[in-house]
Amino acid sequence: EIVMTQSPATLSVSPGERATLSCRASQSVNSNLAWYRQRPGQAPRLLIYGASTRATGVPARFSGSGSGTEFTLTISSLQSEDFAVYYCHQYNSWPETFGQGTKVEIK
Amino acid sequence: QVQLQQWGAGLLKPSETLSLTCAVSGASFSGYYWSWIRQPPGKGLEWIGEINHSGNTNYNPSLKSRVTISVDTSKNQFSLKLSSVTAADTAVFYCAGPITIPWGQGTLVTVSS
Repeated sequence: EIVMTQSPATLSVSPGERATLSCRASQSVNSNLAWYRQRPGQAPRLLIYGASTRATGVPARFSGSGSGTEFTLTISSLQSEDFAVYYCHQYNSWPETFGQGTKVEIK
Repeated sequence: QVQLQQWGAGLLKPSETLSLTCAVSGASFSGYYWSWIRQPPGKGLEWIGEINHSGNTNYNPSLKSRVTISVDTSKNQFSLKLSSVTAADTAVFYCAGPITIPWGQGTLVTVSS
């Protein structure tokens, strides 16, 4: 099983500032990596797939990069709706696995 | 517009079997794998398994002995059964499809005596 490790566990950021989230895989997942945002009481929403492709309707402030084992999600200017938990997800190998999440909170 | 609509019993007793169904609309059912994912309260996400229209399945080894995923292509539906549930199986269960399709709305399943 591929272990996905996200850092940091919690990120304190002021509105309008930039946030950078990391995800590391225990072995290569090529570019088969997705990022989700989950607000309280809601299902996760897909932001990025293929490591760097924004999903339909996702604002341009979200960008993803990386391949292999190291990945980054950048939010260029945090909006109120972005204070949430973010998960990375590898769908390269069975079983598919998720990171433990990064909580982005208001500073 | 692609939609996944799910339903099933929300309260179970220990040792019972969890049963959930997910209906797919607005998308081709064939040619893709359809998945179940769960999330215990306040915790992270766990992939349970997947099935395609031919009935080919892949399961998470951690749950494989208790999980059955089945498909009804005539209704564009797929289902999850999880046997011998305990309180540790209490979670929100989501159905999902190909990576770009939004997940189902989620079903909270509580296991309590």
